[in-house]
Amino acid sequence: DAGVTQSPTHLIKTRGQQVTLRCSPKSGHDTVSWYQQALGQGPQFIFQYYEEEERQRGNFPDRFSGHQFPNYSSELNVNALLLGDSALYLCASIDTGTGRESAYNEQFFGPGTRLTVL
Amino acid sequence: ILNVEQSPQSLHVQEGDSTNFTCSFPSSNFYALHWYRWETAKSPEALFVMTLNGDEKKKGRISATLNTKEGYSYLYIKGSQPEDSATYLCAFRGYGGSQGNLIFGKGTKLSVKP
Repeated sequence: DAGVTQSPTHLIKTRGQQVTLRCSPKSGHDTVSWYQQALGQGPQFIFQYYEEEERQRGNFPDRFSGHQFPNYSSELNVNALLLGDSALYLCASIDTGTGRESAYNEQFFGPGTRLTVL
Repeated sequence: ILNVEQSPQSLHVQEGDSTNFTCSFPSSNFYALHWYRWETAKSPEALFVMTLNGDEKKKGRISATLNTKEGYSYLYIKGSQPEDSATYLCAFRGYGGSQGNLIFGKGTKLSVKP
């Protein structure tokens, strides 16, 4: 099992551009969450996808959008990039079976994509 | 806004020392508390998921306790080794609402000198 994989590893963009980050969950995991970790901060929840729909969303603007595919892989899209979007973006996969996390559900993280906006 | 605090921010110890860190979280609407170990350039690795007040979990030399009534958890490492060097993150999960997912602290960065 390859675990959670993310691509690309690093990315450099300029202000105003758009970016797409990709995540492949652990085999059999049906739910994907995305987090943003800015420098010196803990990871912050962006949104979660299950059955190709956004199920929960954190406090992020509409410039942040996502998608989940039938094979459970997911994309995070950010439009009109700002300097403040520079961060490490983490993807986590969860095996919920039902789309509802129990207290014991572990979130398995990928290594992240480092986005730099110039 | 729910807040999760971790202390200390960083810690430098000698090999063989025992150490502990603190995670403080909201004491209301508690659902679960997660601990992660995160080595540089790797994925965060789950250590414990704790749900019950008074819970104690152990994995090798690492253990954790949970007090949901007062809103804190301790992580202990006995006889630290250089390979324990990492950032240790805790994350709180509450019931429902817009913050139904994990709320992370900023982490405690542990460096163990041989």
